[in-house]
Amino acid sequence: AQTVTQSQPEMSVQEAETVTLSCTYDTSESDYYLFWYKQPPSRQMILVIRQEAYKQQNATENRFSVNFQKAAKSFSLKISDSQLGDAAMYFCAPSYGGSQGNLIFGKGTKLSVKP
Amino acid sequence: GAGVSQSPSNKVTEKGKDVELRCDPISGHTALYWYRQSLGQGLEFLIYFQGNSAPDKSGLPSDRFSAERTGGSVSTLTIQRTQQEDSAVYLCASSLGGSIVYEQYFGPGTRLTVT
Repeated sequence: AQTVTQSQPEMSVQEAETVTLSCTYDTSESDYYLFWYKQPPSRQMILVIRQEAYKQQNATENRFSVNFQKAAKSFSLKISDSQLGDAAMYFCAPSYGGSQGNLIFGKGTKLSVKP
Repeated sequence: GAGVSQSPSNKVTEKGKDVELRCDPISGHTALYWYRQSLGQGLEFLIYFQGNSAPDKSGLPSDRFSAERTGGSVSTLTIQRTQQEDSAVYLCASSLGGSIVYEQYFGPGTRLTVT
């Protein structure tokens, strides 16, 4: 089975500080995509960042960046200069299996941001 | 442009009744996905459409669940003879589809409560 593990059910960060959310996954595929999504209390799932497994360069999107370690099957998300609006559930979600592209979600990490 | 919309936003039904959940994807998105989010099971993939075709129905939890998509646009997820374990948030997502795995854009979800 293809599994996704987010080992931190809850995390807390001070406003303006940096936090890293961890994710490991298990697959025998060589070509795949990795995503981080956030889900605030409004329930709307929002894309944070995307990484193609064939790219060695880590993806960045403004204050959000990833540390992608393909051999270790690790895909962590770093949030810099944390803001109150970053408080949400964060889901790591690989996508395998060619063009079908369905996401396999981890159980999520609940991030709180303290003012 | 308009995002993914879902209706109804909330649905309360009695055990044994049938329900229909609707999803309007982003215009031009050929791929459409249904997921279920529940406290016990987390986020689960249900079904994927490319155009009007659903090549993979293996995620549907039982034969009480069915889905269709018409005109390459609107999709309906139908649950027959609802059970209490069907209570969950049903999320729909769409993407450009094709040979590349594009990011998915999610709707706000339908919260289904079976009493």
